[in-house]
Amino acid sequence: ETGVTQSPTHLIKTRGQQVTLRCSSQSGHNTVSWYQQALGQGPQFIFQYYREEENGRGNFPPRFSGLQFPNYSSELNVNALELDDSALYLCASSLDTFYGYTFGSGTRLTVV
Amino acid sequence: ELKVEQNPLFLSMQEGKNYTIYCNYSTTSDRLYWYRQDPGKSLESLFVLLSNGAVKQEGRLMASLDTKARLSTLHITAAVHDLSATYFCAVDRDSGYALNFGKGTSLLVTP
Repeated sequence: ETGVTQSPTHLIKTRGQQVTLRCSSQSGHNTVSWYQQALGQGPQFIFQYYREEENGRGNFPPRFSGLQFPNYSSELNVNALELDDSALYLCASSLDTFYGYTFGSGTRLTVV
Repeated sequence: ELKVEQNPLFLSMQEGKNYTIYCNYSTTSDRLYWYRQDPGKSLESLFVLLSNGAVKQEGRLMASLDTKARLSTLHITAAVHDLSATYFCAVDRDSGYALNFGKGTSLLVTP
């Protein structure tokens, strides 16, 4: 058990729709990051939250947004879905990066 | 822009053989991570390397970090089939900021 849980496991959406993905981090893990992993590629950083504030963002458009809550849960929201948004979305949490990051099992999003 | 390059991208090796995966990165960083990913699964943390000269070993895998050369290696000793997976290195550019991943090395260990 990784201690980081994501829901749902799989999701199919239609182009143009909106989606919310959820992540529950380990207690005490103040940092949560979201990554997009296309098939056959390495994960790409979307954004990171520290104590409920966004403190870093990768090269993703504003239609990718997020929230982090006091109970160590977080959300990734994607508006106006495009076919290229089809990917595995991973959240990762960390107590301190000295110890590394723990990844959740991911949400497989398919946009049709 | 921080770039992380792994080679080889694909590796087929026989059981019992040794091999090394290389990870080069383009800018100064003192933190490097190795992850394993099985098909359709998430990322499993293997090693966290935090300083120049760091060496860590777990079972048949050993990782090292040379920050001056901006190079990390993952050495596989006497490979077994269970090691078949994709291995990623990732660099933490600003000590607590985003991880920049390589493209991964897909390893297949055959009898």
